[in-house]
Amino acid sequence: GAGVSQSPRYKVAKRGQDVALRCDPISGHVSLFWYQQALGQGPEFLTYFQNEAQLDKSGLPSDRFFAERPEGSVSTLKIQRTQQEDSAVYLCASSLGGGGTDTQYFGPGTRLTVL
Amino acid sequence: GQQVMQIPQYQHVQEGEDFTTYCNSSTTLSNIQWYKQRPGGHPVFLIQLVKSGEVKKQKRLTFQFGEAKKNSSLHITATQTTDVGTYFCAGHGGSQGNLIFGKGTKLSVKP
Repeated sequence: GAGVSQSPRYKVAKRGQDVALRCDPISGHVSLFWYQQALGQGPEFLTYFQNEAQLDKSGLPSDRFFAERPEGSVSTLKIQRTQQEDSAVYLCASSLGGGGTDTQYFGPGTRLTVL
Repeated sequence: GQQVMQIPQYQHVQEGEDFTTYCNSSTTLSNIQWYKQRPGGHPVFLIQLVKSGEVKKQKRLTFQFGEAKKNSSLHITATQTTDVGTYFCAGHGGSQGNLIFGKGTKLSVKP
């Protein structure tokens, strides 16, 4: 594809609801990353996939957060029982290789608001 | 854990003035990347620096990587209104794939 796409672009959830955020990486990109960006802050790492393998999930803030990439392409970030502190922009990025130094290309993000 | 610090947090300049943002890491970086995020947008890759003491230029933008590979700077000469946005530096920590971002410098340019 032309770039990384994410859906939905905006999501409003009531506290306690579950949400699922989707990321379509650039076709052929091996690595996929999820970041959380709070207002006025830099993106913070959540989790990293190399193909379908989740190699690092050290940034996930709690066990309410779960990510998957079952076929090594599309990824879904799921947040269970959302809390107000989960309100943020969730960014997905992909890179061509599996190494740690490749350029990461970001999607437009999903802005999650938890009421 | 590894931290990347960036200063200043905000910079307001008159169009035509120069602008510099500085980035410091608590640990040695394998490389450093710079991104620009326009208001309401997502981070867009600008450049990657890998070598100690490396200097790269993109038109009015000059990027430097420190000799110890722990600091970096971005300098914009003669700012334009199109330069408005937040500039982030980000480092890879060793073999880890994830980027560690600074908090960014938000640049506003008064015409």
